[in-house]
Amino acid sequence: DSGVTQTPKHLITATGQRVTLRCSPRSGDLSVYWYQQSLDQGLQFLIQYYNGEERAKGNILERFSAQQFPDLHSELNLSSLELGDSALYFCASSPGTGHNSPLHFGNGTRLTVT
Amino acid sequence: AQSVAQPEDQVNVAEGNPLTVKCTYSVSGNPYLFWYVQYPNRGLQFLLKYITGDNLVKGSYGFEAEFNKSQTSFHLKKPSALVSDSALYFCAVREGRNNNDMRFGAGTRLTVKP
Repeated sequence: DSGVTQTPKHLITATGQRVTLRCSPRSGDLSVYWYQQSLDQGLQFLIQYYNGEERAKGNILERFSAQQFPDLHSELNLSSLELGDSALYFCASSPGTGHNSPLHFGNGTRLTVT
Repeated sequence: AQSVAQPEDQVNVAEGNPLTVKCTYSVSGNPYLFWYVQYPNRGLQFLLKYITGDNLVKGSYGFEAEFNKSQTSFHLKKPSALVSDSALYFCAVREGRNNNDMRFGAGTRLTVKP
């Protein structure tokens, strides 16, 4: 068990809808990362937060947004959903901004857009 | 920006034989390299990392990896494969000057046959 909790595990929704994915990092970790894993795109970095502030942005669409709250949990909001957004969404955490710290991953949220 | 390549989509080995999963990287500064393993319906699990020092790094479950600066490679190895090693393996890199995100390779599916 990595200590990173993601909810829900599965989400099925229709095109055009909006969903929110939630992540609780490991106890003591200040950094949260979001990744999207799809069959044809591999593991794509979306965004990182550190102690409530955005630190890095990857291939995140404008329809997607995220935030990290004072209690350090994070939410990823996906709106105007398209079929191509169907994927596994992973959250990961690390203690801080140290470059030698590995990431600890949750088990992901599987999003299916129909 | 940093990047990593895993040239093999699939690696097949017989149980008891040595295994190698290849990874090459590209960074403009010092590389910080990681290997992760993913089992079905689970998040990525950290195996080992190279930050500095000895080029041969030992990690979890008997895995090790060899850092080669001249070849910009960080291949994952294990002297004797187990059927339970069958999984998806990801190489990842962080650039020393910019630790804000970790970039992953496309993954290599390792199958160990009895």
